[in-house]
Amino acid sequence: RKEVEQDPGPFNVPEGATVAFNCTYSNSASQSFFWYRQDCRKEPKLLMSVYSSGNEDGRFTAQLNRASQYISLLIRDSKLSDSATYLCVVTDGGGADGLTFGKGTHLIIQP
Amino acid sequence: NAGVTQTPKFRVLKTGQSMTLLCAQDMNHEYMYWYRQDPGMGLRLIHYSVGEGTTAKGEVPDGYNVSRLKKQNFLLGLESAAPSQTSVYFCATKPVESYEQYFGPGTRLTVT
Repeated sequence: RKEVEQDPGPFNVPEGATVAFNCTYSNSASQSFFWYRQDCRKEPKLLMSVYSSGNEDGRFTAQLNRASQYISLLIRDSKLSDSATYLCVVTDGGGADGLTFGKGTHLIIQP
Repeated sequence: NAGVTQTPKFRVLKTGQSMTLLCAQDMNHEYMYWYRQDPGMGLRLIHYSVGEGTTAKGEVPDGYNVSRLKKQNFLLGLESAAPSQTSVYFCATKPVESYEQYFGPGTRLTVT
């Protein structure tokens, strides 16, 4: 079975702090990588794709290390609204294949 | 434009009963998926479809059947529910040209 491993947390972080998560994936043939966000009792939603060159979207930065098969997500200046579960997701890139999800990292931003 | 909708939102079944979960989309996406999410297990793919009239097995297909008679609908059936099928079920869709999947709001199913 393809594996995507994440630290489940919870990460308790004060508002305004910087927090980073990592995840590792087992299938070296994986081609596409994502971070999804899931709020309590809601559906997952795409936060950002992860590119080999790294990418940034506002306060969020994602990095991919293919050699070590890990993906990271950095959140700067964290907000209360960032509290959620962050899912690391990979796909083999076959087009129709479903996504392989990590179990998620639970983040709690404290005032 | 409703996106992806799921019916019902909640359901309680007794062991051995059957039911069908409906996923409907108005985004004209070719690909549709059924996942289940259990505590400590993450989301796992049950079945998927690459187009009208086609279905394929995912990671955990046993005990479920699916049908895609119309492009906009993807049905998930439980013929004889078991307590192990207590879960939250998510439907997702995806256009051919993208990797991003769009999820429905989920169906919470309890089998007693």
